[in-house]
Amino acid sequence: GAVVSQHPSRVICKSGTSVKIECRSLDFQATTMFWYRQFPKQSLMLMATSNEGSKATYEQGVEKDKFLINHASLTLSTLTVTSAHPEDSSFYICSARGTSGMRYEQYFGPGTRLTVT
Amino acid sequence: QKEVEQDPGPLSVPEGAIVSLNCTYSNSAFQYFMWYRQYSRKGPELLMYTYSSGNKEDGRFTAQVDKSSKYISLFIRDSQPSDSATYLCAMSTSGTYKYIFGTGTRLKVLA
Repeated sequence: GAVVSQHPSRVICKSGTSVKIECRSLDFQATTMFWYRQFPKQSLMLMATSNEGSKATYEQGVEKDKFLINHASLTLSTLTVTSAHPEDSSFYICSARGTSGMRYEQYFGPGTRLTVT
Repeated sequence: QKEVEQDPGPLSVPEGAIVSLNCTYSNSAFQYFMWYRQYSRKGPELLMYTYSSGNKEDGRFTAQVDKSSKYISLFIRDSQPSDSATYLCAMSTSGTYKYIFGTGTRLKVLA
């Protein structure tokens, strides 16, 4: 149980284009989803917290107009990187937090590697 | 000073050894303590989840929390090459769902 999927697993895009990453909780309902960014050999940096049906809360220093987050349902959140630039190349990981019992922990997706050329 | 400190390693041990991984923290409000394992280019996998102080055991893994010392540990018994990964500690307070992660310790178990 507690499976989180991400799609795509890897994406290469050209500078200036937008990329959408999906995060799904497959076997539980997630009222809260989190989006992280991870650079090589570094820890996870929280970008934003999204709750189903409401606006995302962004961490300090994260541009909300650049990283658009939509938490449309209890099982789906999307992150759109708009007008991507090479410095946005990174490993993006989502996590989902359930509503009861053991699902209070954060369960992570497998990550999406974004390369902007 | 970072809220959570973790030695990045790498830590190399022979197969079968007992591994000790540790994190220290500065925020006494942390109540929830987690250990995640992350293989290269993969998402973190939850290993242990503990609330407040004490020990928790699950198979070859034991998590310890010493709130008086602001120190948490993860022990891996009979380590295997498949345990080679980066181990991340994470913590949160009771009033927020936000996790604060350590930088991760890279572990290599040599066959």
